[in-house]
Order: sequence, then structure tokens, then C-alpha cells
Amino acid sequence: EAGVTQFPSHSVIEKGQTVTLRCDPISGHDNLYWYRRVMGKEIKFLLHFVKESKQDESGMPNNRFLAERTGGTYSTLKVQPAELEDSGVYFCASSQWTERTDTQYFGPGTRLTVL
Amino acid sequence: QKEVEQDPGPLSVPEGAIVSLNCTYSNSAFQYFMWYRQYSRKGPELLMYTYSSGNKEDGRFTAQVDKSSKYISLFIRDSQPSDSATYLCAMMNTGGFKTIFGAGTRLFVKA
Repeated sequence: EAGVTQFPSHSVIEKGQTVTLRCDPISGHDNLYWYRRVMGKEIKFLLHFVKESKQDESGMPNNRFLAERTGGTYSTLKVQPAELEDSGVYFCASSQWTERTDTQYFGPGTRLTVL
Repeated sequence: QKEVEQDPGPLSVPEGAIVSLNCTYSNSAFQYFMWYRQYSRKGPELLMYTYSSGNKEDGRFTAQVDKSSKYISLFIRDSQPSDSATYLCAMMNTGGFKTIFGAGTRLFVKA
């Protein structure tokens, strides 16, 4: 079974440009999460989808970030316009809630560098 | 104050040693406690998942949760060089899906 995949693995852009990150969750997983780790800090929650609906987007830093999950399958995270402080590793995770467990499977991450 | 505190290390031990990794937290609403392992350039991988207080053992790994002290631990017995990685503690509220991570402890196991 394929795991969570993310594209691209690495993106280098200039301040003010737009970048779109993509996440393909494990097939059949209704829950999809975005996280971010900036240099020297802990991994921070950004938002959570249940199918195509945003369940919790309390971690989104500001309105320059837009996440979508059309059709409840893959998700995109767009940063527009990018700022220097947006640099970091963006992780996607997916899960299928069963009783008390919610094992989240993480992708390898997209390393974003804003110059 | 951070919700979850974790010493970033690095922690260096000889092969075969028992490793103890710890986290403290401040939010008494946390009910789910996880330990993730992350190798360089990879995503976090779930190692242990515990609900509420108590111990859980899986092979060489033991997770302990002490909710009265707001303290969780991960023990690795007979550590191997392949255990060298960053270990992240993480927590969740009941009914919530938002996971709060510690900063991660970098572990080196020397052959």
C-alpha cells in the first residue's frame, strides 16, 4: 500500500512569489492534516480536513495560506505571496479514525525555502 | 510557556544501552500520548500510542504516562545504531485531532 506522498520534495522561491504544495493521502483515509516545522521549532498543526471539509484551521498562520481538498482526495496548500518566515518543512498526514485511535501517517514533507 | 516541553539533546549512548526520553506538558486535557521517530529527511513515524495513564510495551520500546505529574517517557532497551533518529513526543485532547508536538530529542547510538 502506498504511503502519503508529497510534491515537490523541495521548493526554492523568491519572496512575493506563489507556491503550491500537494499532498496525496493514503487511499481511503478521510482525515488529512497539514503541519509545518520552521527551523529550530517544533512541528506545528496547521489544519485538518475531514473528506473535503475543513474541520479545524486554527493553526493557519494568516490569509496568505489557502488549503483545499476538492473531492476529498488529494489536498493542496498554496502560499501567496510567500514571505521569508514561511520557510520550513511542510508535512502532510492522513488517518482513518477507528474507535479511540487516530494513527496519523506522515508524508516525507516538502522543504520550502523563501529567499 | 510551551504546552509540551522536550529536551532537544543531542543524546549520545553506546550500543546496548537503555535510553530514556521524556516530555512534560501543561494541558491537563491531553488524553492521547504518542511517540514518533523521525529519520533525517523523512516524515515522523508513529512508534507508540497510549490513551490516558499507564504503561505500554512493544518489543524493545516502553511508553509510560503519568498524568498526575504531566510527564511521559519512552524507554528503549538494548539500543541499536539503527535507533539513531529524532524522537518526538506528541499529544491530543479527547475528541480533538489537533496534535501538539514536542521539539524532538536527537538520539545517537554508537556502535
